[in-house]
Amino acid sequence: GQNIDQPTEMTATEGAIVQINCTYQTSGFNGLFWYQQHAGEAPTFLSYNVLDGLEEKGRFSSFLSRSKGYSYLLLKELQMKDSASYLCAVRGTSGTYKYIFGTGTRLKVLA
Amino acid sequence: DGGITQSPKYLFRKEGQNVTLSCEQNLNHDAMYWYRQDPGQGLRLIYYSQIVNDFQKGDIAEGYSVSREKKESFPLTVTSAQKNPTAFYLCASSIIGTPNTEAFFGQGTRLTVV
Repeated sequence: GQNIDQPTEMTATEGAIVQINCTYQTSGFNGLFWYQQHAGEAPTFLSYNVLDGLEEKGRFSSFLSRSKGYSYLLLKELQMKDSASYLCAVRGTSGTYKYIFGTGTRLKVLA
Repeated sequence: DGGITQSPKYLFRKEGQNVTLSCEQNLNHDAMYWYRQDPGQGLRLIYYSQIVNDFQKGDIAEGYSVSREKKESFPLTVTSAQKNPTAFYLCASSIIGTPNTEAFFGQGTRLTVV
């Protein structure tokens, strides 16, 4: 089966650092993707990981451990505009290159 | 500009009517996808297609139908058999065969059954 878990909601303070976790069990693995989605809008791509380790992209970093089926998204120097949902997605293999999404984590950034 | 376009942005439908949501992309992507999103929820896969004239069911295909007659287009029909069609519908496209490539999304269609 396929299962992707994320916390439902998180709250953090402006200027702080927050870590959003994602655990997954999927049949086949061809990359883990993080998207940001503001209310009522389409998701926008943030980062992906295929190999174990940390990928850094400005204020955003993403980590992957394939043996543990675990990833996290790290947001530094939080800004009010970072209040959004963050979606973790896994892409399959073996001819089915579909993206399976988790339920998303709603992040609220407080002043 | 290259991108993926969904229309209309808002759609109202009477119960018992079929309705078709449009999705067009000019990114030359082979794969296209339809997702449904309910309030406060993640994205659930309805259908996807990796090549013209071929498509596969996702996790919640019941009550929906698609076609892929052209590479650029992947319309979704919400039929009267879909019991709870009110939702936000997102179309996406991607390259296949090359790993580590992300899906690109359209702006979505918000369907309301009245």
